[in-house]
Order: sequence, then structure tokens, then C-alpha cells
Amino acid sequence: EAQVTQNPRYLITVTGKKLTVTCSQNMNHEYMSWYRQDPGLGLRQIYYSMNVEVTDKGDVPEGYKVSRKEKRNFPLILESPSPNQTSLYFCASSPGTGTPSYEQYFGPGTRLTVT
Amino acid sequence: AQKITQTQPGMFVQEKEAVTLDCTYDTSDQSYGLFWYKQPSSGEMIFLIYQGSYDEQNATEGRYSLNFQKARKSANLVISASQLGDSAMYFCAMREGVSGTYKYIFGTGTRLKVLA
Repeated sequence: EAQVTQNPRYLITVTGKKLTVTCSQNMNHEYMSWYRQDPGLGLRQIYYSMNVEVTDKGDVPEGYKVSRKEKRNFPLILESPSPNQTSLYFCASSPGTGTPSYEQYFGPGTRLTVT
Repeated sequence: AQKITQTQPGMFVQEKEAVTLDCTYDTSDQSYGLFWYKQPSSGEMIFLIYQGSYDEQNATEGRYSLNFQKARKSANLVISASQLGDSAMYFCAMREGVSGTYKYIFGTGTRLKVLA
């Protein structure tokens, strides 16, 4: 089944404790992206990747890191989480430049709480 | 600055009636894509419909159609014959970037409630 998976789905952590949220897709997509969703603000793009070893900042990259060492994986790293990073996080992937619609396929989301 | 605006935080519609969700956008790019996604209460993001900036005809997908007015920079979603299962949050989004970079911008969403 074609899908985007994220782990963990729920995470409660404390300020300053490094964490990684994994994202994996099995569709051989070139494009992957991370978003955060906050009430009243919609989804905001954190980072995106056009392909392996190619990443770029979205609108809200501060406090986050990403890497794209393999085509299928795009982990989101919070080196020193803070309470304002409490949010619902979505990973998404897309076939990339070869597909006219560039539709994104979303993972199920990761609800992160930082205390 | 590139922006997506959804001015209706919430809307109600009677079952079997049509409803229009508004979306306006702002971009300096000539090539861009416009999307609508549905987010039910369960939380997943579901792709509904896509419109390219160079597409001359409005996109349609089943009961969903996108009313694209390029000069007015609007991309309204029309849902015909509303069903109870259409109750959800709806997001308008734009992909910008001619080549090389593909950023996505989302609106703040419209929560639709379908009444029986």
C-alpha cells in the first residue's frame, strides 16, 4: 500500500530533550516536506526536500533540522525542543517535477507536546 | 508576499445543498498550482482537487469543482449536493516556484458543518 508513515504518532517530552520524528514513504517520491499545524494558523511549511541531499527552508524553520540521506526517509529533528514547538506535525511527499499536479500525500500526523 | 486567504472560519450548509468555500491568493509567480485539502475530525489530510495556473478550464472531481478566476486571484471550492460526511476542515493551498524550488503555502482553513 502506498503510504507515508510517521513515528511516533504521539510524543510528550520536556524542554531541551532532543528528539527525532521519522518520516518514510514507499512511493519513490522525490519531494518531501514537513509542516506544523496550529489552531487558527493552518499548516505552515517547516522544511522541504527536492531530492536526496537537497533541502531548503520553508516558512518556519527556526528550531528544526532535517536531513535527506535516502530518498524514502526525511526525519525532523528538534535539537532543543521548547513549549512553542508543541503542535501537530505532518510529513508529506510528492512525485516532484515530473507530475503536473504535484499532489502531496500526507502522513497521519505526529502530535507533539513539549512541557 | 505570497499568501493564501480563507476569510470564512466556519460555515454551515444544509444537506444536499451546494456550498462555496472562498480562497484568494497572492503570488508574483506566473506558474503556480492551487489545491484544496479536506481534514476530517480524524485528522488526516485528504487531497480533493488541483488547478494549474495555466489551465483554462476549471477543475472538477466528482462533486468538487474549483472556480478559478485568475484575474481576481481566487480559487473557490464548490461542493455540490453536500453530504454529512463533508463536515470537515477545508484548506486551500498554493504551490509556488517555476522550477528548482517548490514551496507550499496553506490558508488558515474553513470549518464546514453539514446539517441534516
